[in-house]
Amino acid sequence: EVQLVESGGGLVHPGGSLRLSCAASKFSFSSFSMNWVRQVPGRGLEWISFISSTSAMASYADSVQGRFTVSRDNTENKLYLQMNSLRVEDTAVYYCAREGTWITFGGQGTLVTVSS
Amino acid sequence: QTVVTQEPSVSVSPGGTVTITCALNSDSVSTSHFPSWFQQTPGQTPRTLIHSATTRSSGVPDRFSGSIVENKAALTITGAQADDECDYYCALYMGPGIRWRFGGGTKLTVL
Repeated sequence: EVQLVESGGGLVHPGGSLRLSCAASKFSFSSFSMNWVRQVPGRGLEWISFISSTSAMASYADSVQGRFTVSRDNTENKLYLQMNSLRVEDTAVYYCAREGTWITFGGQGTLVTVSS
Repeated sequence: QTVVTQEPSVSVSPGGTVTITCALNSDSVSTSHFPSWFQQTPGQTPRTLIHSATTRSSGVPDRFSGSIVENKAALTITGAQADDECDYYCALYMGPGIRWRFGGGTKLTVL
């Protein structure tokens, strides 16, 4: 069973920053690429970021490109998302997800609220 | 821009069969998109039902099946039950850049 625990969400003003974390367990974290997916409450799922198992490759959705940075620490089995220049429309539940040939969610997500 | 489209809502009678589809506006859906299907009940994390178009995830009842039909990915529920009533999302693999695109979701009503 994949276990992923997201944390670091909270209330932040527009233009502010947050760093999300995702603690992975019950699988070989360093062997898998990882993704961040978000969901505006009551709305659909949106893929926002990818990082390969060795951190050699990363990619972002247009909506967050240039503002968000994904990273990982394979020694600590952790995934991170540094979010800068936050906007009201970034308000969402953020999930981390493991990628094989498919995405697997494993945590409850962390809520980020951007509001003045 | 690439858009993945699902039916916004569908309904089925208890015990009936329903199919939800997942289409691309710019291409035919194929196995190279590794279509996945997720089930999400309110307040819960999405659960993978089907991956790689047709493979059922561990523990998923066999009343859920996946296919590619007429250039779309499809999720079929055979013998629908009341607790199948929730939201369903598809995801398609788009390549090394924008990795995955999700459909807008389908709200299933069992009535």
